[in-house]
Amino acid sequence: AQRVTQPEKLLSVFKGAPVELKCNYSYSGSPELFWYVQYSRQRLQLLLRHISRESIKGFTADLNKGETSFHLKKPFAQEEDSAMYYCALRGMFSGGYNKLIFGAGTRLAVHP
Amino acid sequence: DGGITQSPKYLFRKEGQNVTLSCEQNLNHDAMYWYRQDPGQGLRLIYYSQIVNDFQKGDIAEGYSVSREKKESFPLTVTSAQKNPTAFYLCASSGQSLSYEQYFGPGTRLTVT
Repeated sequence: AQRVTQPEKLLSVFKGAPVELKCNYSYSGSPELFWYVQYSRQRLQLLLRHISRESIKGFTADLNKGETSFHLKKPFAQEEDSAMYYCALRGMFSGGYNKLIFGAGTRLAVHP
Repeated sequence: DGGITQSPKYLFRKEGQNVTLSCEQNLNHDAMYWYRQDPGQGLRLIYYSQIVNDFQKGDIAEGYSVSREKKESFPLTVTSAQKNPTAFYLCASSGQSLSYEQYFGPGTRLTVT
């Protein structure tokens, strides 16, 4: 079954502390993973995708196929990073259609 | 900003009434999606459409219906058969590029009493 698991509902850290938001997936094919972010009063938006291997706003995420993980990391958290973060997996419907499978989300709260 | 618009932002209905949520996009995207967002459950796919006049059920389609008569529009009707309709509804669209990014609307919060 295709599934995305984010084990933490809430992650609370102080400004300047390292952050790691966990994401594990279950998928039989070659996965394509994403992180989406939803800041307060803003729409859900793409943060980064694993195929780009990029760093956005100081965040990075490495796909680990052995551990089936795609954890989101940032070495020094900022207050403006406080938001809801969703890990998503691009899966395939029968008929060849694509869809995104989302995890339950982790709320990151960065305190001053 | 353009992109995807959803209206209204807040919607209140009495139990037993059908209600239609609007979603419009000007991104020239072929695919459109409806999600339901509940606390602690993430986003769950209700319906999706890859092209005009075609749509497929997602994971939680019961009690919902859609239409896709125009490329720009993908309205969602929440029927009286939906047992727990109060939720935040998100519409999204995507193109056919390899990067497959979904663009989301601002959402509609539906409250049924």
